[in-house]
Amino acid sequence: QKEVEQDPGPLSVPEGAIVSLNCTYSNSAFQYFMWYRQYSRKGPELLMYTYSSGNKEDGRFTAQVDKSSKYISLFIRDSQPSDSATYLCAPSVGSWGKLQFGAGTQVVVTP
Amino acid sequence: GAGVSQSPSNKVTEKGKDVELRCDPISGHTALYWYRQRLGQGLEFLIYFQGNSAPDKSGLPSDRFSAERTGESVSTLTIQRTQQEDSAVYLCASRGANEQFFGPGTRLTVL
Repeated sequence: QKEVEQDPGPLSVPEGAIVSLNCTYSNSAFQYFMWYRQYSRKGPELLMYTYSSGNKEDGRFTAQVDKSSKYISLFIRDSQPSDSATYLCAPSVGSWGKLQFGAGTQVVVTP
Repeated sequence: GAGVSQSPSNKVTEKGKDVELRCDPISGHTALYWYRQRLGQGLEFLIYFQGNSAPDKSGLPSDRFSAERTGESVSTLTIQRTQQEDSAVYLCASRGANEQFFGPGTRLTVL
C-alpha cells in the first residue's frame, strides 16, 4: 500500500464549477499537509498548506485535513480554465522537510 | 531573483551509458532535494542535502544513482549504466526557511 493515495483523474469540470480533490494517507505521523499545482512540463509550485486537522481558506481555494480518518481535501471554487493542471497532495512529518507525494489528480476546466 | 534552474532540459541516452544532471538552486538556500517523477505518477524522493550535514540518501533506488553538492551551491545527480526504467523527469528543489521551490526538471529518456 502506498503511503499517499490520490485518484489520478482526469477530472473534467465546466468553468465556474467547484473542483473537489482528495487524498488518503496511511502514516499517522504526518503533521503538515501541502497541496502543489503542476502545469504541464513545469515543476510543482506550492498552492497552500495546513498543519494538523482543520480548514484553511485562501481566495478560491480551501484545504481540509481530517487526521482521524487520514483524509485530505482541496476545493477550488469558481474554477477557471487557468486552473487546469495536476494537483498533488504532499504530506510531511516535519515542517517543510522531505515530502511524500501523491500521484496527482489532473484537472481540466473547460470554458 | 532567479529560481531553481536545471540542465539539460531534455536528455536522450542509450541504455548502459552514464548521465549527469545538474541543479542550480536559489542563492542562499541551504536545503536541496532531488525527486523523480515517472509518467503519470507522483514525485518520488531520491536524496536531500542540508548544509554541511551528511545527505539523506534513503530514496536512491540503487547504487547506480549518486549525487553530490558542494557547499550550498550546484548539485549533480549521476546515473550510471542507465536502464530503460530510469526514464523519467528528474526534479530538483531548494529550500530556504520554509517552502521548497522546484526547478522545471530534466526529462530523461533511455532508449
